[in-house]
Amino acid sequence: AQKITQTQPGMFVQEKEAVTLDCTYDTSDQSYGLFWYKQPSSGEMIFLIYQGSYDEQNATEGRYSLNFQKARKSANLVISASQLGDSAMYFCAMREFSGGSNYKLTFGKGTLLTVNP
Amino acid sequence: DTGVSQDPRHKITKRGQNVTFRCDPISEHNRLYWYRQTLGQGPEFLTYFQNEAQLEKSRLLSDRFSAERPKGSFSTLEIQRTEQGDSAMYLCATSSGETNEKLFFGSGTQLSVL
Repeated sequence: AQKITQTQPGMFVQEKEAVTLDCTYDTSDQSYGLFWYKQPSSGEMIFLIYQGSYDEQNATEGRYSLNFQKARKSANLVISASQLGDSAMYFCAMREFSGGSNYKLTFGKGTLLTVNP
Repeated sequence: DTGVSQDPRHKITKRGQNVTFRCDPISEHNRLYWYRQTLGQGPEFLTYFQNEAQLEKSRLLSDRFSAERPKGSFSTLEIQRTEQGDSAMYLCATSSGETNEKLFFGSGTQLSVL
């Protein structure tokens, strides 16, 4: 089974509007972390936001917030007030802290976000 | 520039040739990772170093692949006898080792095997 599922291959949003990018995950670990990365056409992966499995509050970083629903195993990224520069691939990733390989990130297939003017 | 640096940015080679990529990490980061990303996919883990020790290699890393990190500083990834299926973006990332650590990625090396 896929550990990280991003069901939206592509999303479109109007400039200045909010957009939600979906991510569901699969793990039997109690302790894990969820990450979102942005990859512009230049190729570099840029860290956006982190949510720990034990964090009670949803993470926020500027215009980015993570809608964490633990029982549903979802970690959706919300981008508010979209900007043209937000157009990029967005990847959800998970790190499981139990076991020997607790440093690896497992990535989803990504969602291509296009912000229209 | 104090980010992760990768060289070269692009490499075109013929099948059967050997190629080597280099990654220079953020200086205070002791953890270094190599990932591979093919078109339409997210990055996949290849290998991990803590300082100079290579602690894990993915099953994706065949015997033709070797990675080193002498002295715990820069790292090299070598692919011997390249195959067309090796064509991908090779990403290097480093981190400081905290629990909620974020990985800092380089811009990658795009390999095309003809």
